[in-house]
Amino acid sequence: EAGVAQSPRYKIIEKRQSVAFWCNPISGHATLYWYQQILGQGPKLLIQFQNNGVVDDSQLPKDRFSAERLKGVDSTLKIQPAKLEDSAVYLCASSKKGDQPQHFGDGTRLSIL
Amino acid sequence: QKEVEQNSGPLSVPEGAIASLNCTYSDRVSQSFFWYRQYSGKSPELIMSIYSNGDKEDGRFTAQLNKASQYVSLLIRDSQPSDSATYLCAVNSNTGKLIFGQGTTLQVKP
Repeated sequence: EAGVAQSPRYKIIEKRQSVAFWCNPISGHATLYWYQQILGQGPKLLIQFQNNGVVDDSQLPKDRFSAERLKGVDSTLKIQPAKLEDSAVYLCASSKKGDQPQHFGDGTRLSIL
Repeated sequence: QKEVEQNSGPLSVPEGAIASLNCTYSDRVSQSFFWYRQYSGKSPELIMSIYSNGDKEDGRFTAQLNKASQYVSLLIRDSQPSDSATYLCAVNSNTGKLIFGQGTTLQVKP
């Protein structure tokens, strides 16, 4: 079974630029999550999708972050404009249902200069 | 009070010893509990899940859950240097959201 795929693995941009991340979940997993993990901290949920609907985006900074999951499979997370404090690893995870174990992709390490 | 609390460590144990990692949570209605292992520079990897009070064993790993005390722990028997990593406790809230602790760094010394 293929795991969660994410791209790119690394991204370096300057502040105020925009960036986008892509995620393809495990086949058949209805629930998809985007997390932000700052060095030394646990992952923090940004947004949770159930199929193509948003379940929870309470911690998504909506003035600069956006995410979509068209057709209920792949998802993209965008930051525009980026700030220095956005430097982190962005992890995508998926699960069969919302209360089932989540499986993570390799993440995208974002550095803001 | 943090929703999920772990001691950040580092916890240092000699090879072959038992490593004990602890986690407390604040939401009394939480139903699902998970332990993830995260190697430096890698993504979290699920190693244990537990849903009911008591112990759950899987190889060298044992997860323990006490809902009355709002406490979940992970024991690693016969610790190996390859177990050196950060261990993340995660708790499913009553809204279905997974809340992570900050992680405990384990160092197993040969």
